[in-house]
Amino acid sequence: ETGVTQSPTHLIKTRGQQVTLRCSSQSGHNTVSWYQQALGQGPQFIFQYYREEENGRGNFPPRFSGLQFPNYSSELNVNALELDDSALYLCASSFSSGRSGNEQFFGPGTRLTVL
Amino acid sequence: AQKVTQAQTEISVVEKEDVTLDCVYETRDTTYYLFWYKQPPSGELVFLIRRNSFDEQNEISGRYSWNFQKSTSSFNFTITASQVVDSAVYFCALSEVADSGGGADGLTFGKGTHLIIQP
Repeated sequence: ETGVTQSPTHLIKTRGQQVTLRCSSQSGHNTVSWYQQALGQGPQFIFQYYREEENGRGNFPPRFSGLQFPNYSSELNVNALELDDSALYLCASSFSSGRSGNEQFFGPGTRLTVL
Repeated sequence: AQKVTQAQTEISVVEKEDVTLDCVYETRDTTYYLFWYKQPPSGELVFLIRRNSFDEQNEISGRYSWNFQKSTSSFNFTITASQVVDSAVYFCALSEVADSGGGADGLTFGKGTHLIIQP
């Protein structure tokens, strides 16, 4: 069974640029969630995708957007990067039958640095 | 709004000591789930346990045990006979149950407790 994978591992961008992060969910999972973890903090929920649609969102601006594909993999896009976007971005996959509270399994993360 | 508080920023103990990590949560929902995750230096969050709000039985898994007390909104985690490999950041998290919108269940995390086990 393949776990959650993310790419790239590390990324350096400059302020104002755009970035795309990718996530492949664990086999058998149909839901993907994205989290931002600043240094020394707990992860913060960005949004969740279920059946290729966003079905929940945390307190993040619209310049954070995403996609989920038919194979349940996902992308996180961030436009107009700001210095405060520097963080570890974590993807988590889970299996949902339409109700919440499911166990989420995390990938190794993408470390984004914005200069 | 939901909130998770882990008041212990860092705990350092000597190997073989028992250690308890505290977690206090706030939620307006009567149905919710609580989680503990471990984050070793590699960065990947490792799932440890999930409990729902209707099940207040304590749980033991090897050297790990969890004490869920709804009356005090706490879900504490104890490691018995700690080992150096237990060194990591531990996060407590909360998920409220939603029946609409596909059951979105973004986790609300605490700030984590950095556990250092010294040999």
